[in-house]
Amino acid sequence: KQEVTQIPAALSVPEGENLVLNCSFTDSAIYNLQWFRQDPGKGLTSLLLIQSSQREQTSGRLNASLDKSSGRSTLYIAASQPGDSATYLCAVMSGGYNKLIFGAGTRLAVHP
Amino acid sequence: GAVVSQHPSWVICKSGTSVKIECRSLDFQATTMFWYRQFPKQSLMLMATSNEGSKATYEQGVEKDKFLINHASLTLSTLTVTSAHPEDSSFYICSANGQATNYGYTFGSGTRLTVV
Repeated sequence: KQEVTQIPAALSVPEGENLVLNCSFTDSAIYNLQWFRQDPGKGLTSLLLIQSSQREQTSGRLNASLDKSSGRSTLYIAASQPGDSATYLCAVMSGGYNKLIFGAGTRLAVHP
Repeated sequence: GAVVSQHPSWVICKSGTSVKIECRSLDFQATTMFWYRQFPKQSLMLMATSNEGSKATYEQGVEKDKFLINHASLTLSTLTVTSAHPEDSSFYICSANGQATNYGYTFGSGTRLTVV
């Protein structure tokens, strides 16, 4: 059974810091891995999608890496801003019917 | 592109009534649609997976007679919470994927259901 773990569960940092959020998964047989952002009471916004054959994806200040063999992904946020405050969710697509399995998320607070 | 619209964004209903939530892919054909439930400060729990024209596949522990899912077209799926009770109060989110999304997931904005 696929399980996804995210560390840390919560993070509070001053503005301007570079951050690393970690995600691990138990079954390396995945189709892809996706990072999402969720603001309180809102739906999910897709940040980055990494196919199983890829190593990393970049979008603006965000960079996500994938090491499928070790079951790990990291989301790197450069020069954090207060507007980055949100919950960041990692999810892997695996198993039948292309299920998306979520981690519990990392709650990020960036203070001025 | 790849927008998923979910409606309503919030609903309050009385115990014993039924509530329907719609999920539409606006600019792409969704191969598969998914329904999730999220409790406060918790992650998303997959409830069921639906493919157009076929019966939904429910996750273990999800009552299929209580949470009716209809996926009548490639752009519309509905979730009906039947005979709702206060413990059904939650945040429900749909998502869809397809060729247009490169088989990544696009999520709706969610529906906050409160049963009183």
